[in-house]
Amino acid sequence: GEDVEQSLFLSVREGDSSVINCTYTDSSSTYLYWYKQEPGAGLQLLTYIFSNMDMKQDQRLTVLLNKKDKHLSLRIADTQTGDSAIYFCAQGGGYALNFGKGTSLLVTP
Amino acid sequence: ETGVTQTPRHLVMGMTNKKSLKCEQHLGHNAMYWYKQSAKKPLELMFVYSLEERVENNSVPSRFSPECPNSSHLFLHLHTLQPEDSALYLCASSQDPGTDLNTEAFFGQGTRLTVV
Repeated sequence: GEDVEQSLFLSVREGDSSVINCTYTDSSSTYLYWYKQEPGAGLQLLTYIFSNMDMKQDQRLTVLLNKKDKHLSLRIADTQTGDSAIYFCAQGGGYALNFGKGTSLLVTP
Repeated sequence: ETGVTQTPRHLVMGMTNKKSLKCEQHLGHNAMYWYKQSAKKPLELMFVYSLEERVENNSVPSRFSPECPNSSHLFLHLHTLQPEDSALYLCASSQDPGTDLNTEAFFGQGTRLTVV
């Protein structure tokens, strides 16, 4: 089965908040990451959270981690059209990162 | 130039060809990675080099052959590929995770490979 699961698609209106969810299976993951991929581009690291934390905020981004439920979320406040992209959740600890299939975020005016 | 640079950006090759993908990082990192991104599948880690030694090889067919001549350069040599190998090949670099285990990987823009 898949190690990291994400919903495939999310649509929000400009100015609203977006919440992208992720579940993972490896409870020994030390770090959890969020990456953004724009069309024709590679993956850009947005933020990460250490597994002993439950929240991390970085400007418009808020990461919430529920370690008991192995649930990670990324909240983007005041979503802009430039935030339209694919967002990948990844779990890791060491060399290997396990990625989800990505959530396509569409921001409409 | 900064970051992680991959060349070529696009490559079309026949099944009998031999080609190489190149990756260069200007971030002072000492670990480099090859990932494969196929449609509707999660990113697949192919190879990892740390301090120019291969540390991961995830059951990748031998028609893919990596080379890491120094900590700034990584190659992926391709020969006798199959159409199902068509994908976006992403290179990444990071500091060696070490005991902290934090893999802050920075990615290149990828090479879009089409095998015909």
